[in-house]
Amino acid sequence: GAGVSQSPSNKVTEKGKDVELRCDPISGHTALYWYRQSLGQGLEFLIYFQGNSAPDKSGLPSDRFSAERTGGSVSTLTIQRTQQEDSAVYLCASSFLSGRRGTDTQYFGPGTRLTVL
Amino acid sequence: KQEVTQIPAALSVPEGENLVLNCSFTDSAIYNLQWFRQDPGKGLTSLLLIQSSQREQTSGRLNASLDKSSGRSTLYIAASQPGDSATYLCAVRPSGANSKLTFGKGITLSVRP
Repeated sequence: GAGVSQSPSNKVTEKGKDVELRCDPISGHTALYWYRQSLGQGLEFLIYFQGNSAPDKSGLPSDRFSAERTGGSVSTLTIQRTQQEDSAVYLCASSFLSGRRGTDTQYFGPGTRLTVL
Repeated sequence: KQEVTQIPAALSVPEGENLVLNCSFTDSAIYNLQWFRQDPGKGLTSLLLIQSSQREQTSGRLNASLDKSSGRSTLYIAASQPGDSATYLCAVRPSGANSKLTFGKGITLSVRP
C-alpha cells in the first residue's frame, strides 16, 4: 500500500511569510508525528497526534509553530512569520498504536525541505 | 531527559567487512528501540525494532541487540556492501503512553568497493 506522503517536497520562502506543510499518513494509522531535522542538530521531535488530539506538543520550538489533524488522517504543520533558523527538513511519520507490542513501528515520509531566505 | 548518543559520527570500511554500529542511551526506562536507515535527501526507513523485553532482532544481514540495563544497542551488519552506504540512526521510545522517539545524530557509513 501507499506510504506516508508529504507535500511540498521543497519550499523556499521569504523571512516573515507563513508556510503550511502537509502530511498524509498511512491509511488506518492512528498516530502521527512531526519531527524536524536540522544540519548539525539531528532529528528533533515536534508534536504527535493520537487520533485528532495532540497529547504531546512539547517539541514545538515557539508559538509560531502549530499543527492540526483532521478526520484522524491528514495533518498540517503551520509556521507563522518564518525565520531563517526554521530552515530544516520537516519529517512526518505515522504508526498504528493498538497497545499491543510490535505494532508501533513508525513509518516516515520523504520530508519537506524548507528554506527561509 | 533521555539522551541518545551514536559514536563515531562517520565510518568508512572496505566492502565485505563485518561491522558494528553503536548506540547508547541515558534512561533505561524505554518501551522499544528502533534502528533506521536514511539515504541522502530521503526520509527514514525502519530497519529493526527491538521491544524492551527482547535481546535482539535479525533481518537478513542485519542484527540488532539491546542491553537495556547498560543503555546500549548495537547494529551488526554482515558482509557489508557499497549499497549499505547511508546514515544509520537509532531512536528510543520511552515507557508509558508517550510514543515520541528520541533520536541519536546518526552514523554515516561509507562502504568502499
